Amino acid sequence: AQKITQTQPGMFVQEKEAVTLDCTYDTSDPSYGLFWYKQPSSGEMIFLIYQGSYDQQNATEGRYSLNFQKARKSANLVISASQLGDSAMYFCAMREAMDSSYKLIFGSGTRLLVRP
Amino acid sequence: GAVVSQHPSRVICKSGTSVKIECRSLDFQATTMFWYRQFPKQSLMLMATSNEGSKATYEQGVEKDKFLINHASLTLSTLTVTSAHPEDSSFYICSAVVGLGDTDTQYFGPGTRLTVL
Repeated sequence: AQKITQTQPGMFVQEKEAVTLDCTYDTSDPSYGLFWYKQPSSGEMIFLIYQGSYDQQNATEGRYSLNFQKARKSANLVISASQLGDSAMYFCAMREAMDSSYKLIFGSGTRLLVRP
Repeated sequence: GAVVSQHPSRVICKSGTSVKIECRSLDFQATTMFWYRQFPKQSLMLMATSNEGSKATYEQGVEKDKFLINHASLTLSTLTVTSAHPEDSSFYICSAVVGLGDTDTQYFGPGTRLTVL
């Protein structure tokens, strides 16, 4: 079974509106971290936000927030007030504490296109 | 956030030659770095974990003799693609781990696009 699932290959959103990118995960490790990265067409991977499995509150970073629903094993990224520069690939990733190598497991990504 | 650089950003080489890609952590020390490969419109595929002062750990299916990794210092890891062939053409991207423990975060370099003719 896939450990990280992103079911939306592509998404459109109107500029200034909010958009939610879905991510579900599968792990038996009680301690894990969830990450979101943005990859623009230039190729660089930009770290956006982190959520720890024991964090009581949803993580927020500026216009990014993570809707963490532990029981459902979902960690959706919410981008508020979308901007044209938000158009990019977005990857959800997980690190399991049992894995001492700090490896990240990536989802297949979601391509977001912001319409003017 | 932490800054990771990669050099070169783009390289074109002839089949059979070797190509070295450098990954540097600019404002922090990284005992662990990772090398990924990404094909067009696909996700990142982890190739190997680079550990300072020890041998790299390669993922299943990655040829260690073809993709040589050297992590000689706390700020530099290199990936050498030996005897490159057209099928090695890809986007190679490295990352470095900042922090240890549950809140560690991987910061990525800008990537290197390799084209083998």
